[in-house]
Amino acid sequence: KAGVTQTPRYLIKTRGQQVTLSCSPISGHRSVSWYQQTPGQGLQFLFEYFSETQRNKGNFPGRFSGRQFSNSRSEMNVSTLELGDSALYLCASSPGGNSYEQYFGPGTRLTVT
Amino acid sequence: EDKVVQSPLSLVVHEGDTVTLNCSYEVTNFRSLLWYKQEKKAPTFLFMLTSSGIEKKSGRLSSILDKKELSSILNITATQTGDSAIYLCAVEDRDDKIIFGKGTRLHILP
Repeated sequence: KAGVTQTPRYLIKTRGQQVTLSCSPISGHRSVSWYQQTPGQGLQFLFEYFSETQRNKGNFPGRFSGRQFSNSRSEMNVSTLELGDSALYLCASSPGGNSYEQYFGPGTRLTVT
Repeated sequence: EDKVVQSPLSLVVHEGDTVTLNCSYEVTNFRSLLWYKQEKKAPTFLFMLTSSGIEKKSGRLSSILDKKELSSILNITATQTGDSAIYLCAVEDRDDKIIFGKGTRLHILP
């Protein structure tokens, strides 16, 4: 079974631009969660999508948004990028329902200059 | 505010030593506590704990939850260099929100 895939793996953007990251979950998994990881803050929850609906949201500004498609693939968008948005963005998929076991993708390293 | 605190933040030991990593939490509506190992990029799942006092074991790794003390420990016996990683503790609440600690960076010297 293929694992969670994320594209692109690396990205360099300038302040003020916007970026879209993509995550393809493990086949059959309906839940996709997004996380931001920085050295200072550790791993922080952004949001979770389940069956195309946002089920949970962390404490991030509205510049961070996401969506999930009918095939469970998910995208995350960050608008008006700031230097502080530089981070590793991880997505994780799980079967959904009562399963709490998440499988993480390799991440997208975003650098904002 | 819900929070998960891990200690120590970093640890350096010699191969063969036993280590104990700590995780404490203050989370309303606790549902489960999770441990992950992060080596390069993607964290990999180790354990999920929901009941107090029941040890979960996988090879040289074991973990136990103490709901009274709102904490958990992760033990690694006979450490090997391949155990070098960041170990993350996370707590999930009944609203399916998950909060991670900042991790313990473990380095095993040969």
